[in-house]
Amino acid sequence: DTEVTQTPKHLVMGMTNKKSLKCEQHMGHRAMYWYKQKAKKPPELMFVYSYEKLSINESVPSRFSPECPNSSLLNLHLHALQPEDSALYLCASSQDRGSGGYEQYFGPGTRLTVT
Amino acid sequence: GENVEQHPSTLSVQEGDSAVIKCTYSDSASNYFPWYKQELGKRPQLIIDIRSNVGEKKDQRIAVTLNKTAKHFSLHITETQPEDSAVYFCAASTSGTYKYIFGTGTRLKVLA
Repeated sequence: DTEVTQTPKHLVMGMTNKKSLKCEQHMGHRAMYWYKQKAKKPPELMFVYSYEKLSINESVPSRFSPECPNSSLLNLHLHALQPEDSALYLCASSQDRGSGGYEQYFGPGTRLTVT
Repeated sequence: GENVEQHPSTLSVQEGDSAVIKCTYSDSASNYFPWYKQELGKRPQLIIDIRSNVGEKKDQRIAVTLNKTAKHFSLHITETQPEDSAVYFCAASTSGTYKYIFGTGTRLKVLA
């Protein structure tokens, strides 16, 4: 099974709302990623978890708060977002890097609109 | 910082022709180079990858070549079909990091 799942598919939220995005994989991957993708642009790395510990935070504003409850789950908590945060949010997973590059598998994404 | 340049940004080919997309990376330590296909509204999908100890890899109509000296790698699609139409992203990654540096993408249109 090479599937990463994400919920919800679509999310519309106001600037004062609090919501969460969820991601799940059952491939035994120990690295999980959050990316943000704007239209016609490549995915932009936000956070990386390795063995459930935060390894990379690409200077993401604190209104985005990641959480990795266990090795299969990854959440992204959203609070007080801005309209410019509207984008496709992609989750991905891979084996831990080790000594070589590992295939990274993406989930279908959550299309987020901030009103 | 690390950078991956990708060309062309758009590419139109007739069905049955070949398509070539080129990427150049800046970090000489990069050693893993995946290619992703992203159809409109869908997830990026890994279609082929190459590691730095290999110069070329093929999978049916798709091939990737790597020139480590020049720090560039290319995606070759032969006998293109309308369903090959999508945005293609190259990426470069380095052992010991979790960063995949993406190119800016190429919109491929295969005209029937």
